[in-house]
Amino acid sequence: DIQLTQSPSSLSASVGDRVTITCRASQGISSYLAWFQQKPGKAPKSLIYGASSLHSGVPSKFSGSGSGTDFTLTISSLQPEDSATYYCQQYNSYPLTFGGGTKVEIK
Amino acid sequence: EVQLLESGGGLVQPGGSLRLSCAASGFTFSSYAMSWVRQAPGKGLEWVSTVTISGSNTYYAASVKGRFTISRDNSKNTMYLEMNSLRADDTAVYYCANRPGTTVNNAFEVWGQGTIVTVSS
Repeated sequence: DIQLTQSPSSLSASVGDRVTITCRASQGISSYLAWFQQKPGKAPKSLIYGASSLHSGVPSKFSGSGSGTDFTLTISSLQPEDSATYYCQQYNSYPLTFGGGTKVEIK
Repeated sequence: EVQLLESGGGLVQPGGSLRLSCAASGFTFSSYAMSWVRQAPGKGLEWVSTVTISGSNTYYAASVKGRFTISRDNSKNTMYLEMNSLRADDTAVYYCANRPGTTVNNAFEVWGQGTIVTVSS
């Protein structure tokens, strides 16, 4: 199974800050990586697929990069509504796996 | 509007059974693979199972293989998850999600709101 390690597990940043979350795969997964945002008590929301492509309707402040084993999710200017937990997920092969999540809080 | 609506969750005793449903609307159901993903209380996301477009291929997490059965009815735009021999560690919110195309190399697009399954005596 492909393991995904996210870091940090949590972070606190100020409004307007640039925030970066990393996701490392235990083996190469090409660009078959997605990112999701989940707010408390809500379903996950798809943000990014193919490591760097935004789903329709996702604000351009979100961006993704990477390929192979190392990936990043960046929020260019953090806003209060971005407070959430973010998950990466690989769809290179079964079993599909998720990272452990990164909780983003606003200072 | 694309919508996925889960139902069938509830309280069940250990060893019991439950059948979840995921009703789809707003997209061509028969062009999408469908999956179940669960989240135990206070924990992260865990993929459970996927059924391909035609229903002829199914995939399972090791933790549920042999106990859970995924299926779909394209005439009803609905996916199912039959859960047997339920254990306390199956307690979770169960989400359904769609994925376009015929291969594993396509990402989830839309998620349902979830249905809660509690396994307890």
